[in-house]
Amino acid sequence: EIVLTQSPATLSLSPGERATLSCRASQSVSNFLAWYQQKPGQAPRLLIYDASYRATGIPARFSGSGSGTEFTLTITSLEFEDFAVYYCQHRSNWPYTFGQGTKLEIK
Amino acid sequence: QVQLVESGGGLVKPGGSLRLSCAASGFTFSDYCMAWIRQTPGKGLEWISYISGSTKYYADSVKARFTISRDNAKNLLYLQMDSLRAEDTAVYYCARSLKPATFTWVDPWGHGALVTVSS
Repeated sequence: EIVLTQSPATLSLSPGERATLSCRASQSVSNFLAWYQQKPGQAPRLLIYDASYRATGIPARFSGSGSGTEFTLTITSLEFEDFAVYYCQHRSNWPYTFGQGTKLEIK
Repeated sequence: QVQLVESGGGLVKPGGSLRLSCAASGFTFSDYCMAWIRQTPGKGLEWISYISGSTKYYADSVKARFTISRDNAKNLLYLQMDSLRAEDTAVYYCARSLKPATFTWVDPWGHGALVTVSS
């Protein structure tokens, strides 16, 4: 099973700042990595798939990069609605797994 | 619009059974692969099963206890859960494959159904 490790666990930033979230895989997942956003009481929502493609309706301030074992989700100029928990997930082979999440909180 | 609505959650004793349903609308259900994913405060998000055509995949943690199935005529996805354990306590989400005909990423997700396994 591929283990995804996200860092940091918590990120405290202010609106307007830039957020950089990391996801490291225990072995290569090629570009088979996605990022999801989850707000309290809601289901996760797909933001980025195949490492760098924005899902439909996702603002351009969200971008993904990386391949192999190192991935980054960047949010330029944070808005209030961006403060949430972010998860990475791979689909390189079964079982697909998620990272433990990064909580993005308001500073 | 695309909608997924889970039902069938609740409180069940260890060793008991429960069947979750997921009602799909707003898209051609038979064209899409579907999945069940659960979430707990302790273990986070966990893929437990998905169905792609006639192929079914299960996590080791639920293999031989849970069964995924679908009724394309009724636009329903099911998860039959048997021999339930305390560690199966979670919010269970159904989710649709992002694109038709092939299993890729999942989006959207339903709102979730809470399953509590306790005596």
